[in-house]
Amino acid sequence: QQKVQQSPESLIVPEGGMASLNCTSSDRNVDYFWWYRQHSGKSPKMLMSIFSNGEKEEGRFTVHLNKASLHTSLHIRDSQPSDSALYLCAARGSNTNKVVFGTGTRLQVLP
Amino acid sequence: EAAVTQSPRNKVTVTGGNVTLSCRQTNSHNYMYWYRQDTGHGLRLIHYSYGAGNLQIGDVPDGYKATRTTQEDFFLLLELASPSQTSLYFCASSVQGNYAEQFFGPGTRLTVL
Repeated sequence: QQKVQQSPESLIVPEGGMASLNCTSSDRNVDYFWWYRQHSGKSPKMLMSIFSNGEKEEGRFTVHLNKASLHTSLHIRDSQPSDSALYLCAARGSNTNKVVFGTGTRLQVLP
Repeated sequence: EAAVTQSPRNKVTVTGGNVTLSCRQTNSHNYMYWYRQDTGHGLRLIHYSYGAGNLQIGDVPDGYKATRTTQEDFFLLLELASPSQTSLYFCASSVQGNYAEQFFGPGTRLTVL
């Protein structure tokens, strides 16, 4: 069964700092990755997706993907207290309809 | 934005009880999913469906049944609830396609005493 590992489990950064989150899949057939953000007491909501090797930037958020190592990372620059949330990585292989989620990284941004 | 609703939002039952969780999406999405979320385990897929009458087994299906009655409605059934099924349950929907993001409902918190 495919596993999606995320690290670190938790992360504390100061306001204005850089947060870096990691995610690796155990399934060599994985082709698609998403990052979801879940604020406390709320449901997950997609933040960014990445399907090709390389980098994708949207505002303060940048995702990287290395398909050879099945690794994606999410970087948040100029972190804000409103970025404090659980960040979930999700992955899916090209030969399945199932999306597997990681256990998440809990980010806390201190004012 | 995609709309997914769940009911009830909170439910307390006793061991051995019968529980039905409901989910409705109004976006004409093909796919619907049931997840449970527990601390330390992230989101785990219970069952999913790609259309009315269809059911696919997820990663943690034991103790759960599901039924997709229409394009819009997906139900999760716990026929003999156990304390290990105490959890936060999310329903989600998506269009068909490799790049499809999932849209989540607000969740149902279930407590089995």
